[in-house]
Amino acid sequence: DGGITQSPKYLFRKEGQNVTLSCEQNLNHDAMYWYRQDPGQGLRLIYYSQIVNDFQKGDIAEGYSVSREKKESFPLTVTSAQKNPTAFYLCATLPAATVNTEAFFGQGTRLTVV
Amino acid sequence: AQSVTQLDSHVSVSEGTPVLLRCNYSSSYSPSLFWYVQHPNKGLQLLLKYTSAATLVKGINGFEAEFKKSETSFHLTKPSAHMSDAAEYFCVVSDTGRRALTFGSGTRLQVQP
Repeated sequence: DGGITQSPKYLFRKEGQNVTLSCEQNLNHDAMYWYRQDPGQGLRLIYYSQIVNDFQKGDIAEGYSVSREKKESFPLTVTSAQKNPTAFYLCATLPAATVNTEAFFGQGTRLTVV
Repeated sequence: AQSVTQLDSHVSVSEGTPVLLRCNYSSSYSPSLFWYVQHPNKGLQLLLKYTSAATLVKGINGFEAEFKKSETSFHLTKPSAHMSDAAEYFCVVSDTGRRALTFGSGTRLQVQP
């Protein structure tokens, strides 16, 4: 069953802690993306990766880090430097072929700072 | 750079009445445009996409959108709203430079019985 798996679904973090959100895909897509969603602001791009071992900053990369060691996996670490990490995080993928192709999304991880 | 503006943050309709969700875009060339729907605490599902093949695009669940270049608009419509249509809707443009998607701020659709 092809798709994108994000885990965990809910995550709680204490102030000053780093946490890592998982995103795994078996769609064989080359490009992977992390978006952050806040109420009334749509989705904003954090980081993206077009190929393995390469990634670029999106519009709001400060306080986040990523790695892309395998095609199937694109984990996102929310570091203690991220001042307001409470949000809904969505992972997405795109095949390599064309910009006219729609993105596919995981079910999201809701991160709450306690 | 591409951008999209969703003109209404919240739209409320009665069940069985038409739905209109408005979106304007800004792009320096012919864009790829999408509408996605999101139900609470869920991922996003593609409703429809425009890729220059036809200006009137039909999507799932009876939704359609018309690309109007002269008005730089891509409004989403449905002739008759159903209770299950209540959700958040996003108008999206494809950023060819980054091969990423740029999202509008979303429109929350409420359907009254």
